Amino acid sequence: KNQVEQSPQSLIILEGKNCTLQCNYTVSPFSNLRWYKQDTGRGPVSLTIMTFSENTKSNGRYTATLDADTKQSSLHITASQLSDSASYICVVTQGYEAGNNRKLIWGLGTSLAVNP
Amino acid sequence: DVKVTQSSRYLVKRTGEKVFLECVQDMDHENMFWYRQDPGLGLRLIYFSYDVKMKEKGDIPEGYSVSREKKERFSLILESASTNQTSMYLCASKGGNTEAFFGQGTRLTVV
Repeated sequence: KNQVEQSPQSLIILEGKNCTLQCNYTVSPFSNLRWYKQDTGRGPVSLTIMTFSENTKSNGRYTATLDADTKQSSLHITASQLSDSASYICVVTQGYEAGNNRKLIWGLGTSLAVNP
Repeated sequence: DVKVTQSSRYLVKRTGEKVFLECVQDMDHENMFWYRQDPGLGLRLIYFSYDVKMKEKGDIPEGYSVSREKKERFSLILESASTNQTSMYLCASKGGNTEAFFGQGTRLTVV
């Protein structure tokens, strides 16, 4: 069964601290993996996208890793800020890069709260 | 910047009403999607369209229909709204091999 599982379900950290969110997937065939940030009451916004051949990608204080062998990804947030409080969702695209890759398999997200 | 605009942020409708949720994108994307998002269930795909006048059922199409008469516009229709359709509705558009860009969401309450 094609699934994306995220952990932890929720996380509370102090401002300035680092944290790492996990994503495990069982999606085949694998096309790419994205991390989205979703603020409360808003639509998701893309942070990073990684294909099979990429194992790390950064976007400012966000760094995503991908291990295609173990089918695991992580999102590391450095020096957290209050504005990082949001839900972080891992999404795996099922399908081939050159073909019709419309199928997105969504995780349930990790809810992050950054406290002062 | 890609812009995906949903017609309403908040809607309150009565049971049995016909409800239209509109979504417009400005990037000439072929693919458009309607999701609903509920606590503990994540995003679930209702319908998607890969071209004008084309539509395909997603994972939970029951109780919904869609219309795509123009490339930039994708409408979600609740023929007879029910309380279990109270949810956050998210529209997204996507090019051939790009990421999906989302609208700001419509929080629909059916009373």
